[in-house]
Amino acid sequence: GAVVSQHPSRVICKSGTSVKIECRSLDFQATTMFWYRQFPKQSLMLMATSNEGSKATYEQGVEKDKFLINHASLTLSTLTVTSAHPEDSSFYICSARPVATNEKLFFGSGTQLSVL
Amino acid sequence: AQTVTQSQPEMSVQEAETVTLSCTYDTSENNYYLFWYKQPPSRQMILVIRQEAYKQQNATENRFSVNFQKAAKSFSLKISDSQLGDTAMYFCAFMTPNFNKFYFGSGTKLNVKP
Repeated sequence: GAVVSQHPSRVICKSGTSVKIECRSLDFQATTMFWYRQFPKQSLMLMATSNEGSKATYEQGVEKDKFLINHASLTLSTLTVTSAHPEDSSFYICSARPVATNEKLFFGSGTQLSVL
Repeated sequence: AQTVTQSQPEMSVQEAETVTLSCTYDTSENNYYLFWYKQPPSRQMILVIRQEAYKQQNATENRFSVNFQKAAKSFSLKISDSQLGDTAMYFCAFMTPNFNKFYFGSGTKLNVKP
């Protein structure tokens, strides 16, 4: 099956620093990538939808200046958490929708962000 | 806006028995896609089964089947012959017809007991 690589899997940073998370589709081209945030024992909350070459669409309540999303190519999307604070600590997951099969999604393995 | 509701936070089932997980959703769309995903402790999302709303026939994948009731906006998952490896969080999910949104329900934690 299609593979989505997400890095890093775990990151610990100091408050005030910025962290970049990468999401790559390894063997397919992704028209759309979705970014989610998951708190312990809770569901995946959609943060934003990114389409290659255009600005991301953010869900209500998600600060676009806080969570910068770039989808520069059909195989790479990045999420940058700017000026991270302890409340940004969470599990972040990306998923990619292939160009060829619209309704299928493939998920990365997630990134655990801990802000000290 | 679309919402997905899972009313069972946690369920238990004996190994080899059958269990049904409930999911309801709300949408004004006519064509859309529904999914069940499994999230084990590794937190990797694993697709269990999917259903296209325009298909009346319920989807099946080996031990997993759905009961899709479009008019009632219900999409339940039946797991037959439950196995210990089925223990995980199960999320119901909805994708809009333009493929631009993908929403999850709150999840059901399934414990399969030996």
